[in-house]
Order: sequence, then C-alpha cells, then structure tokens
Amino acid sequence: DAKTTQPPSMDCAEGRAANLPCNHSTISGNEYVYWYRQIHSQGPQYIIHGLKNNETNEMASLIITEDRKSSTLILPHATLRDTAVYYCIATLLDGLTFGKGTHLIIQP
Amino acid sequence: DAGVTQSPTHLIKTRGQQVTLRCSPKSGHDTVSWYQQALGQGPQFIFQYYEEEERQRGNFPDRFSGHQFPNYSSELNVNALLLGDSALYLCASSTTGRQAPGELFFGEGSRLTVL
Repeated sequence: DAKTTQPPSMDCAEGRAANLPCNHSTISGNEYVYWYRQIHSQGPQYIIHGLKNNETNEMASLIITEDRKSSTLILPHATLRDTAVYYCIATLLDGLTFGKGTHLIIQP
Repeated sequence: DAGVTQSPTHLIKTRGQQVTLRCSPKSGHDTVSWYQQALGQGPQFIFQYYEEEERQRGNFPDRFSGHQFPNYSSELNVNALLLGDSALYLCASSTTGRQAPGELFFGEGSRLTVL
C-alpha cells in the first residue's frame, strides 16, 4: 500500500461542504484510492473509491489530481452525523492499511 | 438484508487464555477479513479468508488463527492472550464479484479486554 498523509483533525460548519485532503505521493498506477469513515464505537463504513477519474455517489465526491499524488473527499452538505474519523487508503489489495485518519468535527 | 454480524459484542479474558470470535458475512458475500483496532488507532489487517483458506495475512503472530466455514461464516482464534491483545476486533466481508478490491462491509466489532 502507498503511504497516505492526512491532517489529524478538521472542523466544518453544519450545512457547508467538508473537503478532506489526502496525500499519496508514492501511489502506483494500479492502486485505488479508498475512503472509509468510522463513527465512534462503530465499524468503518465504506464511502467511495476511485482509480483515475473523479467519482461521485450518494454520500460524497472524490476528486483525484491528474498526477494521482493527492485526492480530496467532499461531503457536499455536512450534517452533525458526519462527525467521524475519515480514513484515506491507497491500495490494490483487500488487506487495507488504515492510518490514523482525519477526525472531522461538524459544528452546529 | 442483514449486514455483517459479530459475536460476542464484549468479552473479558485473562492473560494466557484463548478466545474465539465469530462473524457472519453480509448476504451474498464469500470473503471475510479480520482487523484489530487498538484504542486511538486505525484498524490493522490480520488476515482474509476465501474458499475456506487463508488468502492474505498481515503482520500478526501465529497465535492469531482463523477458519472459514462452507456457509462463509468465519472464526478468529487468539491463543495465549496478552494484555496487548485488548482491542476491538472487526470483521469485514466482501464478494469476489465486486468492482475493485478494498470495498469492504464491516461489522460493529467484538470488544476484547484482557486482564
């Protein structure tokens, strides 16, 4: 797995877009970028993944830079329930390597 | 449609004992992975089972072993428990027919405390 770097914590106002950055400068050409989140005392929840193109689903959007060295997860309209630890993972394997992630706190 | 279910949810053991944790995958899933999450850390990959065999393994000692049954459910066994084995143990399931590796569905975990 490529090493990923995320800020340890971020704040965002409720109703605003939350933009979570991730650096994966050593990513290889066939490694996917995955995002998971973990709400306190629950198991991690899959959010989205991408390889080269930007992706969007009902939960979030994933923007991957053209050189694939970084990406941004966007939660378009953050709610209090989006407060969680968000993990960015770059891998081509099922055995995911989770770092410490970003603790996103949504402020009312 | 039931998601990934794990049992027990909480348990307490003493050093040197053995523990077995159980996992039923999401309906339609045939692959089960196990993770260990210490307090304040991200989950760490233990191993993955597919077709009743260990397919991938992380950096964990042989005290950690597993099994997958024909109905795709799985067990995680830990022998000779150490204080450092205290953690949340997470089971994740997936299907070989998915678009990309790494798209996993996690259970709520089994919280193990070793005294």
